[in-house]
Amino acid sequence: GENVEQHPSTLSVQEGDSAVIKCTYSDSASNYFPWYKQELGKRPQLIIDIRSNVGEKKDQRIAVTLNKTAKHFSLHITETQPEDSAVYFCAAPPGTGFQKLVFGTGTRLLVSP
Amino acid sequence: NAGVTQTPKFRVLKTGQSMTLLCAQDMNHEYMYWYRQDPGMGLRLIHYSVGEGTTAKGEVPDGYNVSRLKKQNFLLGLESAAPSQTSVYFCAIKGAVNTEAFFGQGTRLTVV
Repeated sequence: GENVEQHPSTLSVQEGDSAVIKCTYSDSASNYFPWYKQELGKRPQLIIDIRSNVGEKKDQRIAVTLNKTAKHFSLHITETQPEDSAVYFCAAPPGTGFQKLVFGTGTRLLVSP
Repeated sequence: NAGVTQTPKFRVLKTGQSMTLLCAQDMNHEYMYWYRQDPGMGLRLIHYSVGEGTTAKGEVPDGYNVSRLKKQNFLLGLESAAPSQTSVYFCAIKGAVNTEAFFGQGTRLTVV
Protein backbone atom coordinates (compact mmCIF):
# COMPACT_ATOMS: atom_id res chain seq x y z
CA GLY A 1 0.00 0.00 0.00
CA GLU A 2 0.99 3.61 0.29
CA ASN A 3 2.57 3.17 3.72
CA VAL A 4 5.64 0.96 3.48
CA GLU A 5 8.05 0.66 6.38
CA GLN A 6 11.45 -0.94 5.96
CA HIS A 7 13.92 -2.15 8.58
CA PRO A 8 16.76 -1.98 9.34
CA SER A 9 18.07 1.20 7.75
CA THR A 10 21.62 -0.16 7.81
CA LEU A 11 22.93 -3.68 8.08
CA SER A 12 26.53 -4.81 8.37
CA VAL A 13 27.47 -8.47 7.98
CA GLN A 14 30.56 -10.52 7.42
CA GLU A 15 31.06 -12.23 4.11
CA GLY A 16 29.31 -15.58 4.14
CA ASP A 17 26.70 -14.54 6.70
CA SER A 18 23.00 -14.20 5.94
CA ALA A 19 21.15 -10.90 5.76
CA VAL A 20 17.45 -10.27 6.27
CA ILE A 21 15.55 -7.09 5.47
CA LYS A 22 11.91 -6.69 6.42
CA CYS A 23 9.10 -4.52 5.09
CA THR A 24 5.60 -3.97 6.38
CA TYR A 25 2.73 -2.49 4.38
CA SER A 26 -0.67 -1.07 5.17
CA ASP A 27 -2.89 -1.86 2.17
CA SER A 28 -4.34 -5.34 2.63
CA ALA A 29 -5.27 -5.35 -1.08
CA SER A 30 -1.61 -5.20 -2.17
CA ASN A 31 -0.67 -8.35 -4.05
CA TYR A 32 2.72 -7.68 -5.60
CA PHE A 33 5.94 -7.14 -3.65
CA PRO A 34 9.17 -6.29 -5.48
CA TRP A 35 12.67 -5.72 -4.18
CA TYR A 36 15.16 -3.41 -5.88
CA LYS A 37 18.92 -3.17 -5.48
CA GLN A 38 20.82 0.05 -6.00
CA GLU A 39 24.58 -0.07 -6.22
CA LEU A 40 26.55 3.05 -5.46
CA GLY A 41 26.06 5.68 -8.14
CA LYS A 42 23.72 3.52 -10.19
CA ARG A 43 20.02 3.21 -10.80
CA PRO A 44 17.76 0.84 -8.82
CA GLN A 45 17.10 -2.49 -10.50
CA LEU A 46 14.64 -5.25 -9.74
CA ILE A 47 16.23 -8.33 -8.17
CA ILE A 48 13.23 -10.38 -7.13
CA ASP A 49 9.50 -10.05 -6.66
CA ILE A 50 6.67 -12.10 -5.23
CA ARG A 51 2.95 -12.19 -5.78
CA SER A 52 0.39 -12.89 -3.13
CA ASN A 53 -0.51 -16.35 -4.37
CA VAL A 54 2.83 -17.69 -3.11
CA GLY A 55 4.52 -17.48 0.29
CA GLU A 56 8.14 -17.76 -0.78
CA LYS A 57 10.23 -17.35 -3.89
CA LYS A 58 13.91 -18.14 -4.36
CA ASP A 59 16.49 -17.16 -6.93
CA GLN A 60 19.91 -18.61 -6.15
CA ARG A 61 21.15 -16.83 -2.99
CA ILE A 62 18.21 -14.48 -2.61
CA ALA A 63 14.69 -15.25 -1.47
CA VAL A 64 11.60 -13.32 -0.55
CA THR A 65 8.98 -14.48 1.94
CA LEU A 66 5.50 -13.08 2.34
CA ASN A 67 3.11 -13.12 5.27
CA LYS A 68 -0.15 -11.58 4.09
CA THR A 69 -1.87 -12.04 7.43
CA ALA A 70 0.74 -9.96 9.19
CA LYS A 71 1.24 -7.73 6.13
CA HIS A 72 4.98 -8.07 5.95
CA PHE A 73 7.52 -9.47 3.52
CA SER A 74 11.23 -10.03 3.82
CA LEU A 75 14.31 -10.27 1.64
CA HIS A 76 16.79 -12.99 2.56
CA ILE A 77 20.33 -13.08 1.19
CA THR A 78 22.41 -16.14 2.04
CA GLU A 79 26.17 -16.58 1.74
CA THR A 80 26.62 -12.84 1.34
CA GLN A 81 29.43 -11.53 -0.83
CA PRO A 82 31.04 -8.08 -1.01
CA GLU A 83 29.22 -7.42 -4.28
CA ASP A 84 25.94 -7.68 -2.38
CA SER A 85 26.84 -4.37 -0.72
CA ALA A 86 24.21 -1.90 -1.91
CA VAL A 87 20.98 -0.20 -0.90
CA TYR A 88 17.89 -2.38 -1.08
CA PHE A 89 14.36 -1.02 -1.50
CA CYS A 90 11.04 -2.77 -1.10
CA ALA A 91 7.72 -1.63 -2.56
CA ALA A 92 4.09 -2.59 -2.14
CA PRO A 93 1.94 -1.01 -4.83
CA PRO A 94 -1.71 -0.53 -3.89
CA GLY A 95 -3.87 -3.49 -4.77
CA THR A 96 -6.55 -1.40 -6.45
CA GLY A 97 -6.70 1.84 -8.36
CA PHE A 98 -3.78 3.64 -9.88
CA GLN A 99 -0.25 2.34 -9.49
CA LYS A 100 1.17 4.92 -7.13
CA LEU A 101 4.54 3.28 -6.69
CA VAL A 102 5.92 4.11 -3.25
CA PHE A 103 9.11 2.57 -1.94
CA GLY A 104 10.37 1.78 1.51
CA THR A 105 13.11 4.02 2.91
CA GLY A 106 15.88 1.62 1.94
CA THR A 107 18.41 -0.56 3.72
CA ARG A 108 22.11 -0.02 3.24
CA LEU A 109 23.79 -3.43 3.34
CA LEU A 110 27.52 -3.59 3.88
CA VAL A 111 29.25 -6.93 3.46
CA SER A 112 32.75 -6.97 4.86
CA PRO A 113 35.34 -9.43 3.51
CA ASN B 1 18.18 0.09 -19.48
CA ALA B 2 18.40 1.89 -22.80
CA GLY B 3 14.59 2.17 -22.68
CA VAL B 4 14.60 5.08 -20.20
CA THR B 5 16.72 8.16 -20.82
CA GLN B 6 16.99 11.19 -18.58
CA THR B 7 18.24 14.55 -19.73
CA PRO B 8 20.41 16.18 -18.45
CA LYS B 9 22.64 13.95 -16.33
CA PHE B 10 24.09 16.81 -14.28
CA ARG B 11 23.05 20.39 -13.71
CA VAL B 12 23.95 23.26 -11.43
CA LEU B 13 21.34 25.94 -10.92
CA LYS B 14 21.31 29.21 -9.07
CA THR B 15 18.54 29.82 -6.56
CA GLY B 16 15.47 31.13 -8.35
CA GLN B 17 16.34 29.74 -11.76
CA SER B 18 14.03 27.38 -13.56
CA MET B 19 14.69 24.20 -15.47
CA THR B 20 13.03 21.15 -16.96
CA LEU B 21 14.14 17.55 -16.65
CA LEU B 22 13.15 15.23 -19.44
CA CYS B 23 12.39 11.54 -19.14
CA ALA B 24 12.04 9.75 -22.46
CA GLN B 25 11.10 6.10 -22.94
CA ASP B 26 10.96 3.81 -25.93
CA MET B 27 9.19 0.89 -24.21
CA ASN B 28 5.63 2.17 -24.77
CA HIS B 29 4.86 1.90 -21.04
CA GLU B 30 1.82 3.58 -19.54
CA TYR B 31 3.11 4.52 -16.13
CA MET B 32 5.84 7.07 -15.52
CA TYR B 33 7.21 8.40 -12.23
CA TRP B 34 9.56 11.06 -10.92
CA TYR B 35 11.45 10.45 -7.69
CA ARG B 36 14.03 12.34 -5.74
CA GLN B 37 16.69 10.59 -3.73
CA ASP B 38 18.42 12.23 -0.81
CA PRO B 39 20.90 10.65 1.61
CA GLY B 40 19.04 8.58 4.17
CA MET B 41 15.65 9.43 2.67
CA GLY B 42 15.25 6.72 0.10
CA LEU B 43 13.21 7.26 -3.05
CA ARG B 44 10.44 9.78 -2.57
CA LEU B 45 7.72 10.07 -5.19
CA ILE B 46 7.26 13.59 -6.56
CA HIS B 47 4.65 13.15 -9.31
CA TYR B 48 3.50 10.35 -11.51
CA SER B 49 1.41 9.67 -14.60
CA VAL B 50 -0.78 6.73 -15.50
CA GLY B 51 -1.09 7.65 -19.15
CA GLU B 52 -0.73 10.35 -21.76
CA GLY B 53 -2.33 13.59 -20.63
CA THR B 54 -2.62 12.55 -16.97
CA THR B 55 -0.58 13.51 -13.94
CA ALA B 56 -0.96 13.06 -10.19
CA LYS B 57 0.83 14.20 -7.05
CA GLY B 58 3.13 11.95 -5.10
CA GLU B 59 4.55 12.32 -1.60
CA VAL B 60 6.62 15.50 -2.14
CA PRO B 61 5.07 17.51 -5.01
CA ASP B 62 5.62 21.05 -3.71
CA GLY B 63 7.91 23.16 -5.87
CA TYR B 64 7.58 20.86 -8.89
CA ASN B 65 5.28 20.62 -11.88
CA VAL B 66 4.98 17.90 -14.48
CA SER B 67 3.51 17.32 -17.89
CA ARG B 68 2.90 14.30 -20.09
CA LEU B 69 1.79 15.63 -23.43
CA LYS B 70 3.21 12.63 -25.26
CA LYS B 71 3.13 9.06 -24.02
CA GLN B 72 6.88 8.63 -24.33
CA ASN B 73 7.90 11.79 -22.46
CA PHE B 74 7.43 12.89 -18.86
CA LEU B 75 8.76 16.33 -17.96
CA LEU B 76 9.60 17.56 -14.48
CA GLY B 77 9.79 21.32 -14.02
CA LEU B 78 11.26 23.47 -11.30
CA GLU B 79 9.84 26.98 -11.63
CA SER B 80 12.04 28.64 -9.00
CA ALA B 81 14.80 26.38 -7.77
CA ALA B 82 15.72 26.29 -4.08
CA PRO B 83 18.75 24.75 -2.35
CA SER B 84 16.37 22.21 -0.76
CA GLN B 85 15.80 20.80 -4.24
CA THR B 86 19.43 19.70 -4.50
CA SER B 87 19.07 15.99 -5.05
CA VAL B 88 19.39 13.10 -7.44
CA TYR B 89 16.28 12.74 -9.55
CA PHE B 90 15.18 9.42 -11.02
CA CYS B 91 12.56 8.74 -13.59
CA ALA B 92 10.91 5.33 -13.68
CA ILE B 93 8.47 3.63 -16.02
CA LYS B 94 6.19 0.66 -15.70
CA GLY B 95 4.16 -1.22 -18.24
CA ALA B 96 1.16 -2.50 -16.34
CA VAL B 97 -0.20 -3.30 -12.94
CA ASN B 98 2.21 -5.33 -10.80
CA THR B 99 5.13 -5.39 -13.17
CA GLU B 100 8.78 -4.37 -13.00
CA ALA B 101 9.68 -0.70 -12.90
CA PHE B 102 12.63 0.47 -15.00
CA PHE B 103 14.67 3.44 -13.91
CA GLY B 104 16.59 6.06 -15.81
CA GLN B 105 20.22 6.73 -14.99
CA GLY B 106 19.42 9.68 -12.76
CA THR B 107 20.00 13.44 -12.86
CA ARG B 108 22.20 15.04 -10.26
CA LEU B 109 20.93 18.55 -9.59
CA THR B 110 22.69 21.08 -7.40
CA VAL B 111 21.05 24.37 -6.49
CA VAL B 112 23.41 26.98 -5.12
